Amino acid sequence: TQLLEQSPQFLSIQEGENLTVYCNSSSVFSSLQWYRQEPGEGPVLLVTVVTGGEVKKLKRLTFQFGDARKDSSLHITAAQPGDTGLYLCAGDRGAQKLVFGQGTRLTINP
Amino acid sequence: ETGVTQTPRHLVMGMTNKKSLKCEQHLGHNAMYWYKQSAKKPLELMFVYNFKEQTENNSVPSRFSPECPNSSHLFLHLHTLQPEDSALYLCASSQRTSSYNEQFFGPGTRLTVL
Repeated sequence: TQLLEQSPQFLSIQEGENLTVYCNSSSVFSSLQWYRQEPGEGPVLLVTVVTGGEVKKLKRLTFQFGDARKDSSLHITAAQPGDTGLYLCAGDRGAQKLVFGQGTRLTINP
Repeated sequence: ETGVTQTPRHLVMGMTNKKSLKCEQHLGHNAMYWYKQSAKKPLELMFVYNFKEQTENNSVPSRFSPECPNSSHLFLHLHTLQPEDSALYLCASSQRTSSYNEQFFGPGTRLTVL
């Protein structure tokens, strides 16, 4: 059973376009994290959202936590080739257990 | 060294070999983790250590044996592995007393079992 579903799994767009990645679950999480992983490297934490409805911005990236704390979205404005990577969402279920989605592989073409 | 380091970065081994993966964190954290990342599958938590004590074994086969001699070092001893164990093995650390379980990952060891 996949507790966190990410969509789309693959996304290839042109530089300058906008995009949104979704992370959905039927479970409630105390917090949710977004990571980016580049080839040959481990995931790097981008943001943690905690409160239902919370919105956080990191330059051109906007993260939102659903009101019920079951889902989240990542929106990228004016995507650049440097945004290319595997984006992972992870829900905190407590007891130090993070549940990861299967990831969205994003490619930004120059 | 900074952050979380892992050695070796790549490992090829036969099914009868014995090898070990090493992880070291330079962040002053007190919790460490082993994850397995396979193609087309989400990251799978394998083991959790808090203050050197194992607090989670996520039904991992006994051919994987973790060791945590102190809060900064974590090992994964491998023996009689199967080809399906080929994957990227990631180590992570966190601060146990932090409000949020924010984890910091090493670059991983790419393991191939022949």
